[in-house]
Amino acid sequence: DIQMTQSPSSLSASVGDRVTIYCQASESITTYLNWYQQKPGKAPQLLIHAASTLPSGVPGRFRGSGSGTDFTLTINNVQPEDVATYFCQQSYTSPRVYTFGQGTRLEIK
Amino acid sequence: EVQLLESGGGLIQPGGSLRLSCEASGFSFTNYAMNWVRQAPGKGLEWVSYISGSGSDTFYAESVKGRFTISRDNSKNTVFLQLSTLRAEDTAVFYCAKASNYGYSFDAWGQGTLVTVSS
Repeated sequence: DIQMTQSPSSLSASVGDRVTIYCQASESITTYLNWYQQKPGKAPQLLIHAASTLPSGVPGRFRGSGSGTDFTLTINNVQPEDVATYFCQQSYTSPRVYTFGQGTRLEIK
Repeated sequence: EVQLLESGGGLIQPGGSLRLSCEASGFSFTNYAMNWVRQAPGKGLEWVSYISGSGSDTFYAESVKGRFTISRDNSKNTVFLQLSTLRAEDTAVFYCAKASNYGYSFDAWGQGTLVTVSS
C-alpha cells in the first residue's frame, strides 16, 4: 500500500509568516493528493484537492503544489485562524484505499 | 447547504457491536459515494470504509475488514456503519464524509460521533 509521510510533525509561526508543510508518497500518485485542515475540536475540512486546486471559499493564501511523490502546502501570511492540524491524503488508489499522512500541527507564536 | 449528521456512538464493551448512522441533506444523496473516517483520541485520520452512490460497491481498510459493514438507505438519505467484534483500539471519533464528484476527495464532513470500547 502507498504510505504518506508528512513533515514536520509540528511547527510554530508568527502572524504574517510563510510556512511550508511537506507530504511525500511512497510511490507516484501523480496529482491525486488532497489537503485537509482540522481546527481544534472540529471536523476536518477540505483545503486543497488534486494537489493544487482550492475549493470555493478557501482563502488564496493557501497554495498546494507538487506531483509524483513530493507535495507541499504553503500558507502565506499566516493568520491566527490558521491554527490547526493539516493532513495530506492520497486518492490515487481510490476507492479501494485512501491514505492520510500523520498530520502537521501549526501553532502561532 | 450540505449537512451530515452522525449518531449512534457510545460506550461499548470489547467484543460488542454498534451501528452508526449518518443522515445527509443538502445534496442529491444517491449521486455521491460516502465514506467513514475515524480518529483515535489525539491521533491522526484513518479512512475506514467507502460505499458507492448505488451501494453496489464497498471497500474497507484492512484494519476493519470482516468486522465492519457499510451500507446505505437512499430512500432515507442515510449511510450506516455496523461495527462488530469491537476492540479497545477501535475507540475513536467516527466521521462520515461525502465524496466529491469523482470520489477523489472528501468535500463535506459530519461533526463526528465518539465510540469508546472499554470494559
